[in-house]
Amino acid sequence: GAGVSQTPSNKVTEKGKYVELRCDPISGHTALYWYRQSLGQGPEFLIYFQGTGAADDSGLPNDRFFAVRPEGSVSTLKIQRTERGDSAVYLCASSQSGGNTEAFFGQGTRLTVV
Amino acid sequence: GEDVEQSLFLSVREGDSSVINCTYTDSSSTYLYWYKQEPGAGLQLLTYIFSNMDMKQDQRLTVLLNKKDKHLSLRIADTQTGDSAIYFCAETPSDYKLSFGAGTTVTVRA
Repeated sequence: GAGVSQTPSNKVTEKGKYVELRCDPISGHTALYWYRQSLGQGPEFLIYFQGTGAADDSGLPNDRFFAVRPEGSVSTLKIQRTERGDSAVYLCASSQSGGNTEAFFGQGTRLTVV
Repeated sequence: GEDVEQSLFLSVREGDSSVINCTYTDSSSTYLYWYKQEPGAGLQLLTYIFSNMDMKQDQRLTVLLNKKDKHLSLRIADTQTGDSAIYFCAETPSDYKLSFGAGTTVTVRA
């Protein structure tokens, strides 16, 4: 695609439910990143994929959060037993490779946990 | 972003210059970035500077870097209404990870 695509754009879920957020990176980009942006804050790093493998998942806040990228393209961020504090905009970015090549961001998924 | 600090708000008159300041902590950052975020839109890379440079100019944008003080600034010349947005400074604690500040909301008034 022309840019990084994230679906859904908005998601409202009840506390305790499971959610999946999808990211379609720019075609050919091997590096993929997830960030979380809370209201009034800058994005915070969650996880970085190089190809199919998670090269750095140190930003995932706890074991309720998990992300996969099984074929090295589309990625899914999964959140179990959602809590109200998980409400944020989840941003995905991709770049041609890692290592300070320009990262292109999607428009994000706004997650609201009620 | 607690390692990167920015002032939260800036109001500027159309046609004037805007200066957004940022301090960072990671002296090993190879690159420092400025991103722009408009309402309902994703982050857009505006410009960046390599850590061994003091200044970079790109059309209306000028980036100044003071490595000794770990201070970065972005100057926008001839500010236009389309420049109203949130601007994020970001350091690079590793060669793939961005660490952002909380963002500076720039409001351009006529």
